[in-house]
Amino acid sequence: SQTIHQWPATLVQPVGSPLSLECTVEGTSNPNLYWYRQAAGRGLQLLFYSVGIGQISSEVPQNLSASRPQDRQFILSSKKLLLSDSGFYLCAWRDAGNEQFFGPGTRLTVL
Amino acid sequence: GENVGLHLPTLSVQEGDNSIINCAYSNSASDYFIWYKQESGKGPQFIIDIRSNMDKRQGQRVTVLLNKTVKHLSLQIAATQPGDSAVYFCAERAGFQKLVFGTGTRLLVSP
Repeated sequence: SQTIHQWPATLVQPVGSPLSLECTVEGTSNPNLYWYRQAAGRGLQLLFYSVGIGQISSEVPQNLSASRPQDRQFILSSKKLLLSDSGFYLCAWRDAGNEQFFGPGTRLTVL
Repeated sequence: GENVGLHLPTLSVQEGDNSIINCAYSNSASDYFIWYKQESGKGPQFIIDIRSNMDKRQGQRVTVLLNKTVKHLSLQIAATQPGDSAVYFCAERAGFQKLVFGTGTRLLVSP
């Protein structure tokens, strides 16, 4: 069966520090991968998606970047965090079907 | 477009009542819709989906209704239980690769 992992689960970082969030998927090949951000009490905002290794599409201009160095690995990064980067970051995958499966999320607090 | 960034509406019901959560979608060309349930601090979980060639689909205690004329989607939960308390999101397929999520509705179930 397929599983999706995200780490860390929670993270507190100072403004201006770098960021690296990791997402890995098991049990599937060549999935579409997605990064979403969710502000407290709000909806899901699509940040990036990837249809293959090295292929990244950005949905909104922002302080973040994404990379896909391996088929089942998706990384969200920033060189310098802003206060507004705080939120709940969700990774999701999709195979040949329509449904997206979400990971457990990373709660990021920028102070 | 995406309705992110809006505060969540809340639906409060008594245990045992039926709940109806509504969603308006934006793209008349959308051909696939999903309902997700998100519990506090966790990633969204798939509940039920429906294709645009259907008006109604039933699952276990849940029913999704689709009205394409007015671009409206609803999720009905029968005999609501305290464990149903969560935020519920609808999503529409926007192109081959992406889902666009609605604002979300918080369901509070009182015992």
